Amino acid sequence: GENVEQHPSTLSVQEGDSAVIKCTYSDSASNYFPWYKQELGKRPQLIIDIRSNVGEKKDQRIAVTLNKTAKHFSLHITETQPEDSAVYFCAAKKWDGNKFYFGSGTKLNVKP
Amino acid sequence: EPEVTQTPSHQVTQMGQEVILRCVPISNHLYFYWYRQILGQKVEFLVSFYNNEISEKSEIFDDQFSVERPDGSNFTLKIRSTKLEDSAMYFCASRNRRETQYFGPGTRLLVL
Repeated sequence: GENVEQHPSTLSVQEGDSAVIKCTYSDSASNYFPWYKQELGKRPQLIIDIRSNVGEKKDQRIAVTLNKTAKHFSLHITETQPEDSAVYFCAAKKWDGNKFYFGSGTKLNVKP
Repeated sequence: EPEVTQTPSHQVTQMGQEVILRCVPISNHLYFYWYRQILGQKVEFLVSFYNNEISEKSEIFDDQFSVERPDGSNFTLKIRSTKLEDSAMYFCASRNRRETQYFGPGTRLLVL
């Protein structure tokens, strides 16, 4: 099966700084990598995703990079704001399956 | 914008009782999921459902769990004989042929 590991488990940054969260996966059949933001007591919401035919994707202050050879992908948030504070989950899905494998989550705290 | 909905938002039950959690996926979606999240922990995959049958399930999804799509709109998760450790937030999710997955607001289940 697939194993997704996520680091760090907690991350504290000053407002305006950048934050980077990293995930690794084990199965080279994985080809879709979404990132979800979950605020306290709320549902996970997709913030960005990347497919294995692309190395980088950016959406305003959020970017995701993928290194297929090393089997890792990272979420980059620039110019962090207090409203970015939440738990972020990475996930992976194989091209031939329906299951999403989630990382363990990173609690991001942006200090004003 | 269409959303996945879930009912009830909260459910309290006695150990050994049966519970049914209900979800209404987004109307043109084809793939349906149930996830579990114990407080403060990762999102755990339970089951995926496509073309009126289970496509994948996790080791958590044992004989006490079942899923059904009784009509064209609802998707249900039944827990036959609840245990204390079933206490968690249960999320339903759906997607169409693209991988983008949308989560419902969750049902918080408390087993006493």
